[in-house]
Amino acid sequence: GIQVEQSPPDLILQEGANSTLRCNFSDSVNNLQWFHQNPWGQLINLFYIPSGTKQNGRLSATTVATERYSLLYISSSQTTDSGVYFCAVERGTSYGKLTFGQGTILTVHP
Amino acid sequence: DGGITQSPKYLFRKEGQNVTLSCEQNLNHDAMYWYRQDPGQGLRLIYYSQIVNDFQKGDIAEGYSVSREKKESFPLTVTSAQKNPTAFYLCASSPPGASNQPQHFGDGTRLSIL
Repeated sequence: GIQVEQSPPDLILQEGANSTLRCNFSDSVNNLQWFHQNPWGQLINLFYIPSGTKQNGRLSATTVATERYSLLYISSSQTTDSGVYFCAVERGTSYGKLTFGQGTILTVHP
Repeated sequence: DGGITQSPKYLFRKEGQNVTLSCEQNLNHDAMYWYRQDPGQGLRLIYYSQIVNDFQKGDIAEGYSVSREKKESFPLTVTSAQKNPTAFYLCASSPPGASNQPQHFGDGTRLSIL
């Protein structure tokens, strides 16, 4: 099956810092999503981004499908950004089945 | 508000007991999914359903069963055959034409063994 690797596994920041999270995948995809899982376990949909660049406030994401990676940028981080960030992909033949990476644990200190 | 409702939030199972987790959505989505999350891990797909009265096994279906009698509902039964059921269970749905559509998640059910 498709492999999804996220880096770094852990990231500790001071409030106000910027960060970049990376997601590499081993096969072509027709769906890529970034999620934020808060400390209560809720999985929040950040971006649906199979290709191109999107921005939403302090967050932006870029997927380069031909090179099989996606980046999530967090600018001016806040303590509420803490949690786990997951990348999930759907392979072209998998019809709706998402494969998740292991996640990046982000901790933002005040 | 439209969304996905999972219940209960916490569930305890005795040895040898079957338990059923509820997932209801009012988003008019065709496809629904069940995932399992173990501590420090990503989500893994248990079962998915693209239309009513049809469902397929995901990557870790052993010890689980589902039904899809209504578009809005996709309950998951954790059977006694599932030897390690303690986990966080998340239900998701996606719009018509499930491929190339974002999935939306409920708030999850935490299952523990007594």
